[in-house]
Amino acid sequence: AQTVTQSQPEMSVQEAETVTLSCTYDTSESDYYLFWYKQPPSRQMILVIRQEAYKQQNATENRFSVNFQKAAKSFSLKISDSQLGDAAMYFCAYRSVPMHAGNMLTFGGGTRLMVKP
Amino acid sequence: SQTIHQWPATLVQPVGSPLSLECTVEGTSNPNLYWYRQAAGRGLQLLFYSVGIGQISSEVPQNLSASRPQDRQFILSSKKLLLSDSGFYLCAWSVRDRQIYSNQPQHFGDGTRLSIL
Repeated sequence: AQTVTQSQPEMSVQEAETVTLSCTYDTSESDYYLFWYKQPPSRQMILVIRQEAYKQQNATENRFSVNFQKAAKSFSLKISDSQLGDAAMYFCAYRSVPMHAGNMLTFGGGTRLMVKP
Repeated sequence: SQTIHQWPATLVQPVGSPLSLECTVEGTSNPNLYWYRQAAGRGLQLLFYSVGIGQISSEVPQNLSASRPQDRQFILSSKKLLLSDSGFYLCAWSVRDRQIYSNQPQHFGDGTRLSIL
């Protein structure tokens, strides 16, 4: 079974600065997908960015980018020019290639990001 | 566009009472559907997923059950709630993948906060 670990329960960043959230995972599969989700105080889960394991290029989405290290099984999220609205819980998630029914997500424990004005 | 509705938003129930949480998806057909639970300060735990009407898979043995009476309706139930059932319940949907390298994400509802007294 796959496991996802987020070793930082809480992180803090000054507004307009850059912060990196860590995520590691354990899997025996060679093809899979990785996601970062954001959960603001409203509790809704919002997809931030996704990465396919077969792609070497790191995904980017505006101020959000990832550092995907497949050999190290590491998938960190970098938030540039942090804004107050970025304050939220961030979850790293893993999903197998859909060779079977379900396409379930395995989530990490989350990292609470605080943004200081 | 696709939308997902989940209700109620909050629920307070006594121990031993029944439960029914409903989730519906609009704007898509044949989705995969999921129920997650998020305990306070923790990540998400997958409870059930469904790839079609009447097809339910359980990830964790527990006091809860799920049903999918219609293509875009997913219901989470319990006959007798336990204190440990308290938490935040999230419903999600995803496009049913047909391509091996599809990276369709899961989209979440607004969640239901369940408190057991």
